[in-house]
Amino acid sequence: DTAVSQTPKYLVTQMGNDKSIKCEQNLGHDTMYWYKQDSKKFLKIMFSYNNKELIINETVPNRFSPKSPDKAHLNLHINSLELGDSAVYFCASSSRTGVLYTDTQYFGPGTRLTVL
Amino acid sequence: GQQVMQIPQYQHVQEGEDFTTYCNSSTTLSNIQWYKQRPGGHPVFLIQLVKSGEVKKQKRLTFQFGEAKKNSSLHITATQTTDVGTYFCAGPGDFGNEKLTFGTGTRLTIIP
Repeated sequence: DTAVSQTPKYLVTQMGNDKSIKCEQNLGHDTMYWYKQDSKKFLKIMFSYNNKELIINETVPNRFSPKSPDKAHLNLHINSLELGDSAVYFCASSSRTGVLYTDTQYFGPGTRLTVL
Repeated sequence: GQQVMQIPQYQHVQEGEDFTTYCNSSTTLSNIQWYKQRPGGHPVFLIQLVKSGEVKKQKRLTFQFGEAKKNSSLHITATQTTDVGTYFCAGPGDFGNEKLTFGTGTRLTIIP
């Protein structure tokens, strides 16, 4: 009973292709995220959705388009892939635990994208 | 924008030695979280600190939030091979509590 799942786990593709990564959470959380982790392990937020609405978009190129069909799913579509897009992409979800607290993030297993 | 730096970037210790990672934010934080990422794995939440000067312990791990709420530390006593991984601190960003800004991480390796 995986809490946050992502598919695929590995993705190897040629430059210029379009690809999608899917994410699902069964925790009943309202908020979902996409993070990018580069080769130096730096973890940066890309997007955040709350109840299917986009609330955070961190200066990510337009080639990246998230879509949330419902609050349990958040997919990431990438057009015209570039070499610099190679990274591990993590989906995460969270639920508000109170005004004083920041939402705890529950991460998926990650998708390792390699662009050749 | 907000920056969260951690030192050291890498740490190699003999099994049984202690380990400490330090986290510094460019802005005051309302709270701070710590995550651990095992090699090949995903970040896993460890703890959240809210109060100025707060200290929390989890077995061999001791977490501290600075008095000024701009820094934090994680100390591991008598490291074990299971402690291997990258440790991240994270604080709420400019958007408030919906977004976390992760620190640069400290990668811990253990020499058996």
